[in-house]
Amino acid sequence: AQSVSQHNHHVILSEAASLELGCNYSYGGTVNLFWYVQYPGQHLQLLLKYFSGDPLVKGIKGFEAEFIKSKFSFNLRKPSVQWSDTAEYFCAVRLSGGYNKLIFGAGTRLAVHP
Amino acid sequence: KAGVTQTPRYLIKTRGQQVTLSCSPISGHRSVSWYQQTPGQGLQFLFEYFSETQRNKGNFPGRFSGRQFSNSRSEMNVSTLELGDSALYLCASSLADTSYGYTFGSGTRLTVV
Repeated sequence: AQSVSQHNHHVILSEAASLELGCNYSYGGTVNLFWYVQYPGQHLQLLLKYFSGDPLVKGIKGFEAEFIKSKFSFNLRKPSVQWSDTAEYFCAVRLSGGYNKLIFGAGTRLAVHP
Repeated sequence: KAGVTQTPRYLIKTRGQQVTLSCSPISGHRSVSWYQQTPGQGLQFLFEYFSETQRNKGNFPGRFSGRQFSNSRSEMNVSTLELGDSALYLCASSLADTSYGYTFGSGTRLTVV
């Protein structure tokens, strides 16, 4: 069955540290890829998405992600995190022909300390 | 423009009861998807509706059902509630062109006691 793996369940960083969250999926066909963020007590918000074209995608709040097809990966990065980035981050995949079904990873809880 | 609106925000039900949750998508969005979020299972797809038709369904028992109305508003129903149905139920809407992404509502927190 298709699945999405997020390798880090909990990440703790100090402000200004660099962030990289891993995401791998298992599906050999065409995919659309997403990163969502859920701030404490808030709803899921779209950070960025990849459908086609340049595999390096820039999103909101300084986040970016790189799609590496050969590695089935879509890792999220931010060069310098802030305390306000404390949240849970979800990677999601939409399979070709899957209509609007998203398969989510388990999520990564990020805590940024001042 | 208004976001995705889910009502009610919180519900407490007793085992064996049934519940109906509502989702109003962003104006112009014709696709509505439902997800269940729990600490143990994460975010799991329930079903998706487009133009009043169910296009896709996740691996949930038949107690979970849904429908979509002509104005794109959607409801999901859970019958014969079990303790394990306690979860945050999220609704997401999108345009027919999904390259614009999916917008999620704040969810309905269902507690079954």
